[in-house]
Amino acid sequence: ELKVEQNPLFLSMQEGKNYTIYCNYSTTSDRLYWYRQDPGKSLESLFVLLSNGAVKQEGRLMASLDTKARLSTLHITAAVHDLSATYFCAVVPPVGTGTASKLTFGTGTRLQVTL
Amino acid sequence: SAVISQKPSRDICQRGTSLTIQCQVDSQVTMMFWYRQQPGQSLTLIATANQGSEATYESGFVIDKFPISRPNLTFSTLTVSNMSPEDSSIYLCSVGQARMSTEAFFGQGTRLTVV
Repeated sequence: ELKVEQNPLFLSMQEGKNYTIYCNYSTTSDRLYWYRQDPGKSLESLFVLLSNGAVKQEGRLMASLDTKARLSTLHITAAVHDLSATYFCAVVPPVGTGTASKLTFGTGTRLQVTL
Repeated sequence: SAVISQKPSRDICQRGTSLTIQCQVDSQVTMMFWYRQQPGQSLTLIATANQGSEATYESGFVIDKFPISRPNLTFSTLTVSNMSPEDSSIYLCSVGQARMSTEAFFGQGTRLTVV
């Protein structure tokens, strides 16, 4: 059974600081997603990581993937209040074992950026 | 990218009643999924909606409680039957194409409160 864990579950950080959210998954996967969710809203797609060593950046967020370690990170640089939200990682089943696009989600990290 | 319309966006229902949630996509998609997000929790896959055949349910979810229809490649419904307060959640529709595609889009969600 594919399991996805995130840490920390809750992160309070000051504006201007840097921090990293970690996403570990239990079995091989060829795709990892990062999503953002604002309270009461649906999911906003941030990144899709497809290969070992993949790195993607958008604004103050940078995501990376290490498929050998089964680890993805979401790094926040110089946080601003607008980044306050819950962040989820999600992976698809290994090739040949499940349905494409069927996602298993991590526990989520609730990020609060304070002034 | 696919545009997904989900209705209703929210509802308050009496226990023992049923609610049907609709998911309409603006283009034909191979895969459609239904997820549940309980308050303060991550997303859990309920089932894969299969066009022209019975849905494929995940462990812990049964057809009698969550009947799903998918009459064509752009539309699906999820019914939450005989509701109890424990069914209060956000229900999200997601779509994806065949494995070669990396896209996984979400509808805006239906916030259900059962009283």
